[in-house]
Amino acid sequence: DADVTQTPRNRITKTGKRIMLECSQTKGHDRMYWYRQDPGLGLRLIYYSFDVKDINKGEISDGYSVSRQAQAKFSLSLESAIPNQTALYFCATSDFSSGGYNEQFFGPGTRLTVL
Amino acid sequence: LAKTTQPISMDSYEGQEVNITCSHNNIATNDYITWYQQFPSQGPRFIIQGYKTKVTNEVASLFIPADRKSSTLSLPRVSLSDTAVYYCLVGGLRAGNMLTFGGGTRLMVKP
Repeated sequence: DADVTQTPRNRITKTGKRIMLECSQTKGHDRMYWYRQDPGLGLRLIYYSFDVKDINKGEISDGYSVSRQAQAKFSLSLESAIPNQTALYFCATSDFSSGGYNEQFFGPGTRLTVL
Repeated sequence: LAKTTQPISMDSYEGQEVNITCSHNNIATNDYITWYQQFPSQGPRFIIQGYKTKVTNEVASLFIPADRKSSTLSLPRVSLSDTAVYYCLVGGLRAGNMLTFGGGTRLMVKP
């Protein structure tokens, strides 16, 4: 979905390097998420943000940090990359509704390889 | 967050109806049931969501029994392009709109 973009789409880096993955959205949603997916497995939540001033750890936040620079931008950083962080990373957005659960819209993913 | 259990894989043929059942025994009162579809190297895509009984849209139907401890995603007349992984998730306001993806069901549609 072009409304949620991720850069870069592919990245190969070395152990110990700092890496930043960026996510931008034009959907006007207030909620943004970062997930990682390992081969053959489901997605796991790393961090999520309900608005610019709200950042929350997800299931697997160790080794990662995030920055919500604006409503439309949410960046994921690996301060010192390690090989087991090799995975497919997805950004997602959703809108707030008091009525219940909301659909999440996913970006195309960033394939990260740490050598 | 409620844990879900669904078959690891299923095979079907073009034109058949496919039903994928998901168990969620500890679903909470506020939880909704949502299904996502994922093609290789793409992000998941929302298919359908429901709270109880039956929900139908242009893509699928979702059947939820009264006790809500399970749900069935029904895909009518599948085609080769429906080959994908299907995830069943439960969650709601209490979970803060967080999603927990299990392993999903890998559906293979054969000609």
